[in-house]
Amino acid sequence: AQSVSQHNHHVILSEAASLELGCNYSYGGTVNLFWYVQYPGQHLQLLLKYFSGDPLVKGIKGFEAEFIKSKFSFNLRKPSVQWSDTAEYFCAVNDVSSASKIIFGSGTRLSIRP
Amino acid sequence: EPEVTQTPSHQVTQMGQEVILRCVPISNHLYFYWYRQILGQKVEFLVSFYNNEISEKSEIFDDQFSVERPDGSNFTLKIRSTKLEDSAMYFCASSDIPSGELFFGEGSRLTVL
Repeated sequence: AQSVSQHNHHVILSEAASLELGCNYSYGGTVNLFWYVQYPGQHLQLLLKYFSGDPLVKGIKGFEAEFIKSKFSFNLRKPSVQWSDTAEYFCAVNDVSSASKIIFGSGTRLSIRP
Repeated sequence: EPEVTQTPSHQVTQMGQEVILRCVPISNHLYFYWYRQILGQKVEFLVSFYNNEISEKSEIFDDQFSVERPDGSNFTLKIRSTKLEDSAMYFCASSDIPSGELFFGEGSRLTVL
């Protein structure tokens, strides 16, 4: 069965620090990959997605993620975080052959110190 | 910008009662989903729905749960006899293509006493 691992449960950074959140998945077939963000009190929103092509994808608000197939990873990065990036970040994976189910990781809570 | 809407935003119910959570997906979307998030835990897949039938469901989605698209706009999740462990935030989502970006509603918080 598919699974998604986010090893960082809570990350605390100061403003302007660089960010990298890890995401690994367990499925060996063709996958679509997503990062969602949940700001306090709000619903889940898409940050970025990878379906095919350039493994380095850019999303909203300066976020990017790199798909490394050999490592089954899709880490999220941002060179300089802001206080407004405080949120919960979820990696999600969809097995293309099972079009109807997207599996989420357990989430990483990001706290930014002003 | 079109959005997914969910009602109620918060429902408190007694154990054993039936609950219906309602969702209005984005109008041109064809794929519908329910997820839940128990406080402090991960977002868990419950069920996906396409063409008026369930496409896939998780082991959480047992006989106590059902989904329905009663008309052209609503998508409902019914819990027949709620248990304490059903307390969670329930998110509805829709997409226009399979495996595509999910658009989420703001969630319905269910508290079972």
